[in-house]
Amino acid sequence: GAGVSQSPRYKVAKRGQDVALRCDPISGHVSLFWYQQALGQGPEFLTYFQNEAQLDKSGLPSDRFFAERPEGSVSTLKIQRTQQEDSAVYLCASSLEAGGALAKNIQYFGAGTRLSVL
Amino acid sequence: AQSVTQLGSHVSVSEGALVLLRCNYSSSVPPYLFWYVQYPNQGLQLLLKYTSAATLVKGINDFEAEFKKSETSFHLTKPSAHMSDAAEYFCAVSNTNAGKSTFGDGTTLTVKP
Repeated sequence: GAGVSQSPRYKVAKRGQDVALRCDPISGHVSLFWYQQALGQGPEFLTYFQNEAQLDKSGLPSDRFFAERPEGSVSTLKIQRTQQEDSAVYLCASSLEAGGALAKNIQYFGAGTRLSVL
Repeated sequence: AQSVTQLGSHVSVSEGALVLLRCNYSSSVPPYLFWYVQYPNQGLQLLLKYTSAATLVKGINDFEAEFKKSETSFHLTKPSAHMSDAAEYFCAVSNTNAGKSTFGDGTTLTVKP
């Protein structure tokens, strides 16, 4: 498809379980972002990749959260030992590049993965 | 550091009435500003963006926003609301170097027939 694809769309996990969320960015997009959106709030930045390099992970809430993009395309957000406070929608966005001309800076968002931790 | 405040978590208008959604920002560098719309169970869609080229920015579906530096505001307006405009709206500010965006908490727009 032409847009950002995220899978699964919904994930229910038992507390303590590990989960992996996948993001397929738009082909050719250099930059990839992960955001966490809690119920009733705006998205909050988690981490950012430029190609395979993770340039900013300042938003990851704890060391249980880990993201990778080994070949500079598909990215996976992994959450270990999930807790109830991890319940949220996880959004992925990609852009042609970051910085520089604004037209290339526009982020295109996927539909998100809704994670519920019981 | 950058932040966004959206005044009013819920706004209700009648169909055909003016839509006004408020956004104030804080940024240590000249900002890039965005308005996004989010329909239920969907991702965010870009409505419009401020690039510093013009203070009045026109977007899709007749939405527009005016950048007012003196007021640090970027309010979103639409002259005549449609039922299909009912959704969640997010204002965001971006640092030109990092690319990551800081979002407000959103405003839910309800359109009454």
